[in-house]
Amino acid sequence: DAGITQSPRYKITETGRQVTLMCHQTWSHSYMFWYRQDLGHGLRLIYYSAAADITDKGEVPDGYVVSRSKTENFPLTLESATRSQTSVYFCASSDLGRPNEKLFFGSGTQLSVL
Amino acid sequence: AQKITQTQPGMFVQEKEAVTLDCTYDTSDPSYGLFWYKQPSSGEMIFLIYQGSYDQQNATEGRYSLNFQKARKSANLVISASQLGDSAMYFCAMREVGSTSGTYKYIFGTGTRLKVLA
Repeated sequence: DAGITQSPRYKITETGRQVTLMCHQTWSHSYMFWYRQDLGHGLRLIYYSAAADITDKGEVPDGYVVSRSKTENFPLTLESATRSQTSVYFCASSDLGRPNEKLFFGSGTQLSVL
Repeated sequence: AQKITQTQPGMFVQEKEAVTLDCTYDTSDPSYGLFWYKQPSSGEMIFLIYQGSYDQQNATEGRYSLNFQKARKSANLVISASQLGDSAMYFCAMREVGSTSGTYKYIFGTGTRLKVLA
């Protein structure tokens, strides 16, 4: 199906482990984004990408790594997970530049770091 | 400094009445976009409405309208004739210039939780 998909939907890991959250979109949008959602903080931007091989830090990038070798994929890696990274993670893509632009969101990944 | 400010953590509204959710923003870029998203308890993010900084008229989408006051840097969401299904978290967002020249990013406020009362 066309759209933006995230995997896994739920993940439990332990502190110090490496975790990768996957994001795939089928619209060929240039822009992709990773957000984390925490109570009281809304959605905070972790990293974003304007195109393949172009990535930039957002508001809260520490402890995260991204790559974008293909337009359709934008994985987010927690190199050594910490309890403070327990959160709901949303991937999004944008049809920026088109009339009535919008951000399209994935279903989210609920990550628990024990 | 917070670039998108939503000062109402929670609000109540009676069914069938109108409600305004406040949003102020801060940018020095002349070109930007403003958005509202709805997040029901199921967790998905639902696009509601978009307003471009150069748009002369306020955006409307069905029961949703965006009260855009550029000089005051406010982009309030107005929901008319509230329904029980409107109970959700609402986020204001802005598209602004990114760190790398020619790129853009979207930032969000902390949200307002709306409860519609029967």
